[in-house]
Amino acid sequence: AQSVTQPDIHITVSEGASLELRCNYSYGATPYLFWYVQSPGQGLQLLLKYFSGDTLVQGIKGFEAEFKRSQSSFNLRKPSVHWSDAAEYFCAVVLTGTASKLTFGTGTRLQVTL
Amino acid sequence: IAGITQAPTSQILAAGRRMTLRCTQDMRHNAMYWYRQDLGLGLRLIHYSNTAGTTGKGEVPDGYSVSRANTDDFPLTLASAVPSQTSVYFCASRRTVNTEAFFGQGTRLTVV
Repeated sequence: AQSVTQPDIHITVSEGASLELRCNYSYGATPYLFWYVQSPGQGLQLLLKYFSGDTLVQGIKGFEAEFKRSQSSFNLRKPSVHWSDAAEYFCAVVLTGTASKLTFGTGTRLQVTL
Repeated sequence: IAGITQAPTSQILAAGRRMTLRCTQDMRHNAMYWYRQDLGLGLRLIHYSNTAGTTGKGEVPDGYSVSRANTDDFPLTLASAVPSQTSVYFCASRRTVNTEAFFGQGTRLTVV
């Protein structure tokens, strides 16, 4: 069964510091990859996605992610975190060629200190 | 404004009662999904539908049923609610397998 792992449940960073949130998946084939953000009490908003091509993808709000096939990873990064980035972040995958199930990781809660 | 609408926003339900959560999208998306979100468990897929007239089971389908009579609507039914079904439920849709999913604002359900 397909699975997505976000090993960090909770991360705290200072405003202005860099950020990296980890995401690993367990499939043989390259899946479609997504990062979503959820602010408290809200639905999910897409930050960025990877389908093919350039392995470094740019998203909204200054976020980027890099697909590394050798590591089965799709880590999310931001060079300088803002207090408004405090939220929960979810990695999600769809295995290509299957019945398009969109599977989420368990999420990483980001806290930003001033 | 195009998007996904879920109703109700929140509900307190007595155990044993039947409940249908509504989800409607006006984007003509083929695929629709129901997830539940629980602390520490992320979003778990309950049921999905790749196109009108078809449905499939996700990770946690027991106690839930869905139907997809048309493109726009994808209701989720709890036939006999139990306290373990207390959760926040999200409906999502997307056009095809390689496009992003759009989410509703969620339904907070409490079964007592």
